[in-house]
Amino acid sequence: SQQGEEDPQALSIQEGENATMNCSYKTSINNLQWYRQNSGRGLVHLILIRSNEREKHSGRLRVTLDTSKKSSSLLITASRAADTASYFCATEGGSNTGKLIFGQGTTLQVKP
Amino acid sequence: EAGVAQSPRYKIIEKRQSVAFWCNPISGHATLYWYQQILGQGPKLLIQFQNNGVVDDSQLPKDRFSAERLKGVDSTLKIQPAKLEDSAVYLCASRGGGRNTIYFGEGSWLTVV
Repeated sequence: SQQGEEDPQALSIQEGENATMNCSYKTSINNLQWYRQNSGRGLVHLILIRSNEREKHSGRLRVTLDTSKKSSSLLITASRAADTASYFCATEGGSNTGKLIFGQGTTLQVKP
Repeated sequence: EAGVAQSPRYKIIEKRQSVAFWCNPISGHATLYWYQQILGQGPKLLIQFQNNGVVDDSQLPKDRFSAERLKGVDSTLKIQPAKLEDSAVYLCASRGGGRNTIYFGEGSWLTVV
């Protein structure tokens, strides 16, 4: 079963704009991770935020986590055409088994 | 370091035939995962190994799917007999070295006709 639900399912923006994707989950987590998938390729890890963290930055990426609302957001600032991809959130449960459950993903299109 | 290797990359088979996918994880990674990703959806965990033992196979359709990791290194995933709904990308991933990051292979694309 899928843990996360992502919103929106699809997003289309112009180059230079910011893109925000949201992820909601149902059960307690140890951490939440964001992955990127280019068309026809495997997934690439972007950033991990632990359950005791509220915000994390990596380059043009900013991730927030609200455990009270069981939600996370990924912000990509100053988007580029090369950011066009699908983005997935994934949660690792509180039992720390290493089991990673993915959401349905957000498809981002950045128009040049 | 070398990434997660998967083969074959693409496979087309008829329904009721069998197929096997192979995965070689990153060297030293104890945890190995097989995910199924249907077009337009997120990856769904099929099975998780810790060394050569199964940690979680709750979503593996055991009547037709099997997986093994006999020596705790590479792994094979088999489907027999295949159904049309098995058409998907089968992603292998590994994790190790005390890190939380999971590394994915490029996937094996299966089309069942």
